[in-house]
Amino acid sequence: ETVLTQSPASLSLSPGERATLSCRASQSVGAHLAWYQQRPGQAPRLLIYDASSRATGIPDRFSGSGSGTDFTLTITNLEPEDFALYFCLQRSDWPPMNTFGQGTKLEIK
Amino acid sequence: QVQLQESGPGLVKPSETLSLTCNVSGSSITSGYVWGWIRQSPGKGLEWIGNIYNSGMAYYNPSLKSRVTISVDRSRNQLSLRVKSVSATDTAIYYCASPYLDANGLQNWLAPWGPGVMVTVSS
Repeated sequence: ETVLTQSPASLSLSPGERATLSCRASQSVGAHLAWYQQRPGQAPRLLIYDASSRATGIPDRFSGSGSGTDFTLTITNLEPEDFALYFCLQRSDWPPMNTFGQGTKLEIK
Repeated sequence: QVQLQESGPGLVKPSETLSLTCNVSGSSITSGYVWGWIRQSPGKGLEWIGNIYNSGMAYYNPSLKSRVTISVDRSRNQLSLRVKSVSATDTAIYYCASPYLDANGLQNWLAPWGPGVMVTVSS
């Protein structure tokens, strides 16, 4: 079973700054990785899929990169609504299975 | 645009069976490649429960496999989840999720999700 480790656990930044979030897989997942954002009291929403493709309606200040075991979510020019929880998710084709990282909390400094 | 709404009892007694449904609107459940269930324990992270594919095959988190069943009711356009022999550790917000149609026409990821339903296991 693939384990995803996200770092840091929490990150304090100011609006307008750049956030860099990491997700490391215990074994290669190719590009089968997605990023989700969860605001308080809301369901997670898909930001990035296939490691670097932005989901519909997601602003271009969100970008994803990486492949294999190391992945990064970058958020430039932080907006107040970007301060939230971020999770990475990997999927395997066989056996079909999904695994989440433990999350990174992006807080306002 | 697809919309999802989970429903079910908010309180379940230990050792009993938890049953949830997910009402799908705006899309036929038969047109989706994969549908899923995810849960989130209070103040904790996300846990994938399982997926069901348009083939009818369901795949589960190995840690829950012996207790979980996911099914589809095509006539009602609903997704269902059953978790048997529940305990306090099954207390969580339960989300259903629909297939995301990506730019390549593939449906490998789950989005959007429903708003979730809180289930507490307690006597």
